[in-house]
Amino acid sequence: AQKITQTQPGMFVQEKEAVTLDCTYDTSDPSYGLFWYKQPSSGEMIFLIYQGSYDQQNATEGRYSLNFQKARKSANLVISASQLGDSAMYFCAMREVNTGGFKTIFGAGTRLFVKA
Amino acid sequence: NAGVTQTPKFQVLKTGQSMTLQCAQDMNHNSMYWYRQDPGMGLRLIYYSASEGTTDKGEVPNGYNVSRLNKREFSLRLESAAPSQTSVYFCASSEAGGLGAFFGSGTQLSVL
Repeated sequence: AQKITQTQPGMFVQEKEAVTLDCTYDTSDPSYGLFWYKQPSSGEMIFLIYQGSYDQQNATEGRYSLNFQKARKSANLVISASQLGDSAMYFCAMREVNTGGFKTIFGAGTRLFVKA
Repeated sequence: NAGVTQTPKFQVLKTGQSMTLQCAQDMNHNSMYWYRQDPGMGLRLIYYSASEGTTDKGEVPNGYNVSRLNKREFSLRLESAAPSQTSVYFCASSEAGGLGAFFGSGTQLSVL
């Protein structure tokens, strides 16, 4: 069954340091996509980064990178050089393609606090 | 560029009342979704529509119905609202591939 797990309810990081947010997933679909979203206190959902199950290289978008370890079924988000504006909830999500018909589910989220 | 538009933004219902949340997207996306987010929690999928003319249950479909009216519009109906349905509801749309979903701004629903 499709499942996303984020085991870190909250994380603290010092400004300008790097931080890793954990995400593990489970699926029987060989074709899937993994996403990370940011939700600031204002409530909107902001797409950050995507990794396809067949992508050979880890995805990167500016200060965001996705550490994709397919055999371990993990898709951790790495934020480099943290900024105060990075304080927010972060959600990992998975979209199944074949069996799920683009069904997309989310993890419970990790709240990141960036300290000055 | 409107993106995904949800209405209403806020709604208060009494137990047993019915209502429909409206969602429209102008990006020509095939897939649309309805999620609910309870305080301090992640998003849970209620229903989704992979393409026009199809709808499927998500993780928490009980108490809800949906209609994919056309490619642009995907509505969510609560037939008999219950306090347990108090939540923030998000509509989203996406296309295949590596683009993330675009989300509406959410509907804050309170059922008293």
